[in-house]
Amino acid sequence: DQQVKQNSPSLSVQEGRISILNCDYTNSMFDYFLWYKKYPAEGPTFLISISSIKDKNEDGRFTVFLNKSAKHLSLHIVPSQPGDSAVYFCAASARRGYGGSQGNLIFGKGTKLSVKP
Amino acid sequence: DTGVSQNPRHKITKRGQNVTFRCDPISEHNRLYWYRQTLGQGPEFLTYFQNEAQLEKSRLLSDRFSAERPKGSFSTLEIQRTEQGDSAMYLCASSLTQGTGYTFGSGTRLTVV
Repeated sequence: DQQVKQNSPSLSVQEGRISILNCDYTNSMFDYFLWYKKYPAEGPTFLISISSIKDKNEDGRFTVFLNKSAKHLSLHIVPSQPGDSAVYFCAASARRGYGGSQGNLIFGKGTKLSVKP
Repeated sequence: DTGVSQNPRHKITKRGQNVTFRCDPISEHNRLYWYRQTLGQGPEFLTYFQNEAQLEKSRLLSDRFSAERPKGSFSTLEIQRTEQGDSAMYLCASSLTQGTGYTFGSGTRLTVV
């Protein structure tokens, strides 16, 4: 049973346009959410995170939105660049762990983003 | 510090053999995690350490799997009597206790033939 769902396996966007990647979760205990980017033959790279006490977090071209009532989050990339082409994973944590950091993460299956020049 | 290092990058083994992977985390990171990723799936949590203490294990971690982190530095993940279903990418990550996102290594790709 998938607790974190990324229902779009792939997304194709034109360079310069906005990319919107979506993620749904089922566990209401999740209180911390993260997005990772993964290139082939590399490990996932942390992109951006958001705590459940916020509904938006922005870092440069990347913005994550959280809708707790809908148990939905999204990652917006604007403007999209060809170098953004990768697999994007949504992840969530149900515990703070020691000292406020996240405990173990539950990942979605990923969405492959292709940004065309 | 060049990040999280995993060795080997690739491992091909015959079914029934034992394999061991090594992870060297970022030196100041207290937490170390092992994940497994199969084709078309996201990373799945296996276990994590706070310093040398193994604090949580997933039920994915069968009795054939064992992880250690002696002295709270590098970690090893051993799989005994490998099966074809063990073929996957094994990812290690580390984080500060008060950190944000994990830093992942490049992974060890295991193929059991």
